[in-house]
Amino acid sequence: KQEVTQIPAALSVPEGENLVLNCSFTDSAIYNLQWFRQDPGKGLTSLLLIQSSQREQTSGRLNASLDKSSGRSTLYIAASQPGDSATYLCAGLSGTYKYIFGTGTRLKVLA
Amino acid sequence: GAGVSQSPSNKVTEKGKDVELRCDPISGHTALYWYRQSLGQGLEFLIYFQGNSAPDKSGLPSDRFSAERTGGSVSTLTIQRTQQEDSAVYLCASSPGLRNGYTFGSGTRLTVV
Repeated sequence: KQEVTQIPAALSVPEGENLVLNCSFTDSAIYNLQWFRQDPGKGLTSLLLIQSSQREQTSGRLNASLDKSSGRSTLYIAASQPGDSATYLCAGLSGTYKYIFGTGTRLKVLA
Repeated sequence: GAGVSQSPSNKVTEKGKDVELRCDPISGHTALYWYRQSLGQGLEFLIYFQGNSAPDKSGLPSDRFSAERTGGSVSTLTIQRTQQEDSAVYLCASSPGLRNGYTFGSGTRLTVV
């Protein structure tokens, strides 16, 4: 059974700092790993999708990596901005064909 | 449509009443999923539909919850005899297939009073 854990639960950083959010999963037979952003009171916005054959994906200041053997994914945010403040969720897709979500990292970027 | 559309965006109902939540997926997406997010909690899988296959109902918390997807498009999640613990945000997502990424709607916030 796939379980997904995100550390830390909350993070507060000054503007401009580079930061890493961590996601770990228990089932290495993972098909995809997807990172989302959720703003308060809103739905989830997809940031990056990494398929099992890929090691990383990049979009602008965001870079996500996937290491199936260690059961880890990281989301790297470069030059953080106050607008990056949100909750970041990772989710893993494996044999049950439904994404299992972590409980998220709540990020606050201070101006 | 251009995105996943959910309605209503907010619903307040009295305990014991039935509610229906609607999800209109992205055109052409064969897979549709329902999740719920309780205050301060993670996303909890409820049910998914894929094409004409039997839905995976393994996440429905009780027999008060049911869902259908008509014509392979719009889906309705029905909660009968609502309880206060049903209060949550109900999120719908669709994807082109079972091994693709999700696109979420903006959710329905259900409050049972």
